[in-house]
Amino acid sequence: SQKIEQNSEALNIQEGKTATLTCNYTNYSPAYLQWYRQDPGRGPVFLLLIRENEKEKRKERLKVTFDTTLKQSLFHITASQPADSATYLCAPTGGDSSYKLIFGSGTRLLVRP
Amino acid sequence: GAVVSQHPSWVICKSGTSVKIECRSLDFQATTMFWYRQFPKQSLMLMATSNEGSKATYEQGVEKDKFLINHASLTLSTLTVTSAHPEDSSFYICSAAGTGGRVNTEAFFGQGTRLTVV
Repeated sequence: SQKIEQNSEALNIQEGKTATLTCNYTNYSPAYLQWYRQDPGRGPVFLLLIRENEKEKRKERLKVTFDTTLKQSLFHITASQPADSATYLCAPTGGDSSYKLIFGSGTRLLVRP
Repeated sequence: GAVVSQHPSWVICKSGTSVKIECRSLDFQATTMFWYRQFPKQSLMLMATSNEGSKATYEQGVEKDKFLINHASLTLSTLTVTSAHPEDSSFYICSAAGTGGRVNTEAFFGQGTRLTVV
């Protein structure tokens, strides 16, 4: 069956460091991979979308990579700030997963001042 | 970005009653909306996909007679939790993808509805 795996343990880092979050998927061949941020008690907010033919995508302090051979996406936040503390969700979409937007379990990021 | 408004943001109801949650896309036409449920410290679980003017498609294990979804217009979808029980207490979130429900564009989420059944 299709599975999306994100590190369930919280990632705790010092302000100013780079945070790297991992998203692995199995039994999928997605055409896109999306990353969202969710704060407690709120709906997710879109951050970045990367296509299967793109190796890397950047937006300000954010960088996403997409390795379709490894079936993995890495999400980086450089120069992290306490305001970046949140849960980050990945969602492989399109391709054989069709139109559904299904999320991984999310990784909680804590940035210490 | 586009705005999706969900109402109410929280509701408390008695066991056995029904609760309706509304999801509106305020500045774009959403032919497809998704409904999710999220339990504490868990991820969003897709419950169903609703397409304007047709029956919703439910995920495996979701009771369609208990969670009634209506998508009567391009800007409004509703989720009705019928005969609610305490185990239905959860955080319900809707989202609307780009026109036609394509997943090559971002999805916009409502603020969520915290349902507590007592």
